[in-house]
Amino acid sequence: EVQLVESGGGLVQPGGSLRLSCAASGFTFSTYEMNWVRQAPGKGLEWVSYISSSDGITYYGDSVKGRFTISRDNAKNSLYLQMNSLRAEDTAIYYCAGRVGAGYGFDYWGLGALVTVSS
Amino acid sequence: EVVLTQSPATLSVSPGERATLSCRASQSVINNLAWYQQKPGQAPRLLIYGASTRATGIPARFSGSVSGTEFTLTISGLQSEDFAVYYCQQYNNWPPITFGQGTRLEIK
Repeated sequence: EVQLVESGGGLVQPGGSLRLSCAASGFTFSTYEMNWVRQAPGKGLEWVSYISSSDGITYYGDSVKGRFTISRDNAKNSLYLQMNSLRAEDTAIYYCAGRVGAGYGFDYWGLGALVTVSS
Repeated sequence: EVVLTQSPATLSVSPGERATLSCRASQSVINNLAWYQQKPGQAPRLLIYGASTRATGIPARFSGSVSGTEFTLTISGLQSEDFAVYYCQQYNNWPPITFGQGTRLEIK
C-alpha cells in the first residue's frame, strides 16, 4: 500500500522556521518526482516546490522562493521542506505529492501537515 | 504563468445526472492537464491526466476531453460519493505548476 506521511507541522511565530518531513512507503520513491502543495484554510491548491527524482533539480513558487528549501533522501525514502522567515500567509495544510514523471499528474498524496504562522 | 479558470464555481446536479466541469487555460498547455477530486478533510485524488487518461482505479463514469485551451471533465451518472470539489492542474509550462480555483459539485 502506497503511503506518504507528513510530519513536523505546528504553530510557529512570524519570522520563525519549521521543517516538514514526508515519509514514503509502498512504491519506489527514488524514481518519483516529488512536490509540496499547500492549501490555505478554505482556499484552493497552490503548488509550492518540486524536486527531481535523483539529480537534485529543484523549483519553487514565487511566493516561497528564497525562503523555502526542498530536499530528499532517497536512502531514507524521505522528502523535506525547510521553511524559513515564515509569514502569516504561509498558514496552510502542506501536502507532499509524487508523480512518476513529466506528462503525468500527481498520483500519490500525503494526508497533509498543518502549519500555522501566528503570534 | 499559465492561468487556469474553472467554471462554474459551484454546480448543482441531481444524483444520476451528468455533470460537466470546465477549465480554460490562458495559453496552450497541449494536453498536459490533470483533474483532481477533493473531499472535505481529505487530500486531492488524481482522476485524469494527459487531459483524457483516467488514473488507476478511477471509474469509467469520469472522462476528460480538450478542445484547444478548453478542457472538460464529465461525470456521468453522478453518485453520492462524487459530490466534492474538483481542481484542474497544468504541468506543461512550468514552473510554476498551476491549479484552477476549483469547482464545487453539490447535490441538487
